[in-house]
Formats: sequence, structure tokens, C-alpha cells
Amino acid sequence: AQSVTQLGSHVSVSEGALVLLRCNYSSSVPPYLFWYVQYPNQGLQLLLKYTTGATLVKGINGFEAEFKKSETSFHLTKPSAHMSDAAEYFCAVIRRDNYGQNFVFGPGTRLSVLP
Amino acid sequence: ETGVTQTPRHLVMGMTNKKSLKCEQHLGHNAMYWYKQSAKKPLELMFVYNFKEQTENNSVPSRFSPECPNSSHLFLHLHTLQPEDSALYLCASSLSARGQTGELFFGEGSRLTVL
Repeated sequence: AQSVTQLGSHVSVSEGALVLLRCNYSSSVPPYLFWYVQYPNQGLQLLLKYTTGATLVKGINGFEAEFKKSETSFHLTKPSAHMSDAAEYFCAVIRRDNYGQNFVFGPGTRLSVLP
Repeated sequence: ETGVTQTPRHLVMGMTNKKSLKCEQHLGHNAMYWYKQSAKKPLELMFVYNFKEQTENNSVPSRFSPECPNSSHLFLHLHTLQPEDSALYLCASSLSARGQTGELFFGEGSRLTVL
């Protein structure tokens, strides 16, 4: 069964510092991987996704993630944090079974950006 | 209009009330979902509808009753709820719930408080 773990429920960085949010997955088939962001009092918004092809994926707002099959990881990075990046970030994998396919979300990582 | 619209954004109800949450998508998608987001818990998939047919019910209590009259509209009827049902209820849509790798598009959520 597919599952997602996110190391660190809360990450704090200084403005301008590197952002690194960790995601590891388990999947018995080639995974489709996603990062979503949730700002306060809002729904989830897609940041980026990996399905096939290039393993380094670029998303919105300067974020990118690299799919590493050998490490079963899909960590999210941004070279320089901005105050507006403060939000909750969710990693997700698509679960595929006899009923169709549904997303399995990680528990989320809250990112704080300090001035 | 935004892609996925949820109403109301906030709802306070007593345990004996009956209310409904509404979701509408303007993206031409065929699959719609209800998720529950509680504090300090991962997103919980509640229901999935694909081409108006319910394809998944994740052991949700019967006090939650979904309705999908067409591919663009999804309702969640609520009755005799418990205080632990207080949460953010998120609606999402996708092209299809089968055989696709596309992302979920989320609404902004309905914040439910049960007194």
C-alpha cells in the first residue's frame, strides 16, 4: 500500500535561507508524486507534480522537488525563503487499486519564515 | 469564477441541527471528492464520486450523507453531528477518479463547528 511520511511537522527558516521540506513515500508501483501548499483558511493548491520524465520538477513560487527512486524521496526545496512562503505543505502520492486511484496525503509540514 | 467553490465558508451548528455543505466545480471535471481536515491529523478522504457514481466511502458515519446530482455539484448533508466532527471540510475535483495522473483541485473549504 502506498504511504507518505514527512519528516518534521514544523520547520522554521530565516527569510532568505534555504527551504528544505522532506517527503518519503512507499509505493509498490512507479509513483505519481505531488506537493500541495495550504495557506491559512484556504484550500490546498498544487505546487508541483512528478509523473514521468525529468526527475527534477519545477513548480510555482520558485519551489522545486527531485524524485529519487533509490531513496524513495521527493523533497521540496526553495533557494531563498520569503515571508509569503509561510504555510502548511503536504506531500501526496496517488494510490492505485481496484477501485480507481486516490491521493494519499502526508501529515503535512508547517513552514514558518522568520524575519 | 474560481475553479471549485464551496459554501458556506463557515458553519456553526448544534448537535440536533440539519445542514448541508455545497460544492460546485467549473472545470469540466468528472470526479468530485470530500475530505475532512482536523487539527493535527492527516487529510481524511471521505467520499469519491466518479461520473456521479459513488466509488468510495471510507467508513464514514451515516450522519454524513453525500449527494452528487451531476458532475458539477456535490453536497454533504449533515445531521445529528458530534463535537468531534468539527473540522475543515474540503471539496476537490479531478478529471476522473480512474486511470489518470492529474492533480486534485481544491475548494477553500467549509469550516464546521459543532456545539
